[in-house]
Amino acid sequence: AQKVTQAQTEISVVEKEDVTLDCVYETRDTTYYLFWYKQPPSGELVFLIRRNSFDEQNEISGRYSWNFQKSTSSFNFTITASQVVDSAVYFCALDPSGAGSYQLTFGKGTKLSVIP
Amino acid sequence: GAGVSQSPSNKVTEKGKDVELRCDPISGHTALYWYRQSLGQGLEFLIYFQGNSAPDKSGLPSDRFSAERTGGSVSTLTIQRTQQEDSAVYLCASSLRGAITEAFFGQGTRLTVV
Repeated sequence: AQKVTQAQTEISVVEKEDVTLDCVYETRDTTYYLFWYKQPPSGELVFLIRRNSFDEQNEISGRYSWNFQKSTSSFNFTITASQVVDSAVYFCALDPSGAGSYQLTFGKGTKLSVIP
Repeated sequence: GAGVSQSPSNKVTEKGKDVELRCDPISGHTALYWYRQSLGQGLEFLIYFQGNSAPDKSGLPSDRFSAERTGGSVSTLTIQRTQQEDSAVYLCASSLRGAITEAFFGQGTRLTVV
């Protein structure tokens, strides 16, 4: 069975603080993909990143960085120097097939509020 | 249009009534997806259309749910005899090919069953 756990339901930070969103996953598959999506107040889901299970290299994109650790089944997301525009619900997701399936298993999301 | 358009944006209906939710994908996108986001839950996959292929309906929660895609473009998700547990945000997405990472999502329809 597949499962994605985002233990932090809501987080509030003051602008310019760094914040890390946690994601822990469970799967028996050896090949899989992990994703992060952002859902701003407008409602649409915005794809942020996809990583495959064979690539544990950390990734940085501007103020965003992702730390993938297979040993702890975690794929955490850090926003550096947070901004008000980062306020959104962030979802971590798993594609257990590793085949680019659309049948992703999503976590329940973490609502991030960045206070000016 | 420039993006995926969903209508209505909000719908309140009485338990037992039927509802139709509409999705206008980005022009030229062959793949179309429906997801459901219940309160405090992640997204659940409902149904996937790809070109003229038979849709993948494996995510539909019951036979009260159905969806169609006419002419390879607009899609309608129908919920018959709505129940309170159907209350959720229904998100539609489309992509040029069948790659979820390339999908653009609409802003969703918030359905409330009272």
